[in-house]
Amino acid sequence: AQSVTQLDSHVSVSEGTPVLLRCNYSSSYSPSLFWYVQHPNKGLQLLLKYTSAATLVKGINGFEAEFKKSETSFHLTKPSAHMSDAAEYFCVVSVPSSNTGKLIFGQGTTLQVKP
Amino acid sequence: NAGVMQNPRHLVRRRGQEARLRCSPMKGHSHVYWYRQLPEEGLKFMVYLQKENIIDESGMPKERFSAEFPKEGPSILRIQQVVRGDSAAYFCASSVTGDSGNTIYFGEGSWLTVV
Repeated sequence: AQSVTQLDSHVSVSEGTPVLLRCNYSSSYSPSLFWYVQHPNKGLQLLLKYTSAATLVKGINGFEAEFKKSETSFHLTKPSAHMSDAAEYFCVVSVPSSNTGKLIFGQGTTLQVKP
Repeated sequence: NAGVMQNPRHLVRRRGQEARLRCSPMKGHSHVYWYRQLPEEGLKFMVYLQKENIIDESGMPKERFSAEFPKEGPSILRIQQVVRGDSAAYFCASSVTGDSGNTIYFGEGSWLTVV
């Protein structure tokens, strides 16, 4: 069975400092992994995705994530936080069986960016 | 190219009434998904549809909830006899195919409040 665990429910950083949002996954198959961002009362925007190509994935707005199979991790990073990065972030794994495209979401990490 | 369009964005219903949420997928997308987000939680899969077919409804509550994606027109998520626990954000998503690595695009959500 597939599952995803976001290790921090809340992360607070100062503007201009690095961001690290941690995610571990469990999958019986080679997973497809995604990070989505949700701003308050808004829909979800795809930041980046991993689908068994390069293990270091670059996304939008300066975010990137590294797939580490040995650690079953897919942590999201950004070198320098911006105030506009404050939002809810979801690590997501795709269920590969049955070609349903079903997504399993983590519980989310709230990123706070302080001036 | 319009994204996934959902309406209404906000809906208030009294207990016992019916709620109908509509979703128009992105142009060229024939796969539609519905997800529910309860307060302070991540998104949970409800149902996956293609035109005129329900492919996977494993996340749908057994009673009061139904979904359709007719040959013409938007996908509809219908909740009969709503209760307070149905208050949530309902997100529709669409994709070109149902493959697990395929990018799934989300709408901005429909917020249902049951009073």
